[in-house]
Amino acid sequence: DGGITQSPKYLFRKEGQNVTLSCEQNLNHDAMYWYRQDPGQGLRLIYYSQIVNDFQKGDIAEGYSVSREKKESFPLTVTSAQKNPTAFYLCASRPRQNTGELFFGEGSRLTVL
Amino acid sequence: GQSLEQPSEVTAVEGAIVQINCTYQTSGFYGLSWYQQHDGGAPTFLSYNALDGLEETGRFSSFLSRSDSYGYLLLQELQMKDSASYFCAVILAGSARQLTFGSGTQLTVLP
Repeated sequence: DGGITQSPKYLFRKEGQNVTLSCEQNLNHDAMYWYRQDPGQGLRLIYYSQIVNDFQKGDIAEGYSVSREKKESFPLTVTSAQKNPTAFYLCASRPRQNTGELFFGEGSRLTVL
Repeated sequence: GQSLEQPSEVTAVEGAIVQINCTYQTSGFYGLSWYQQHDGGAPTFLSYNALDGLEETGRFSSFLSRSDSYGYLLLQELQMKDSASYFCAVILAGSARQLTFGSGTQLTVLP
């Protein structure tokens, strides 16, 4: 079945450590996005990519980095420069047609100890 | 910049009808989407309004008025499983078609 797979589902890290969240899609979508969600809050855009080897900063990119070496993959690295990294991270992709729909993965919940 | 406002909480009983409003301020957008998110889960797409008017999808309907910078999601024949958070999101003008989300409305359906 087609979809978006995020891993790991839960992740704990110590302060000062970098961590990479995986996002893989087999929907053949060009555009991919990373969102952060804090408890009781909406989704805020971290980074997005419209095409392989190209990506742009979203509203809250500081302390994060991404790569887009393959169409299917859009990993997010949470660096030690991110001051408050504990959050729920959601990866999404969008088909070329403008249907207003994003397809989301199941999310990765990061807790910094 | 863009901003979207939704009520933080709404409570209704099973079988009732509830309307969740969304007002927005944005310089340009393609349309308004609605998503449902259960606790701990991923958002799932409900509806999209590119044009003014009402879009109906089963028990859910969504409305957009660009002149009033306003939209709403209407849920009919409420069921317990409809208890969730509901987010409106604007699709920003431009090739990237980024979505900017509201802060969400927590709907609680009571028996």
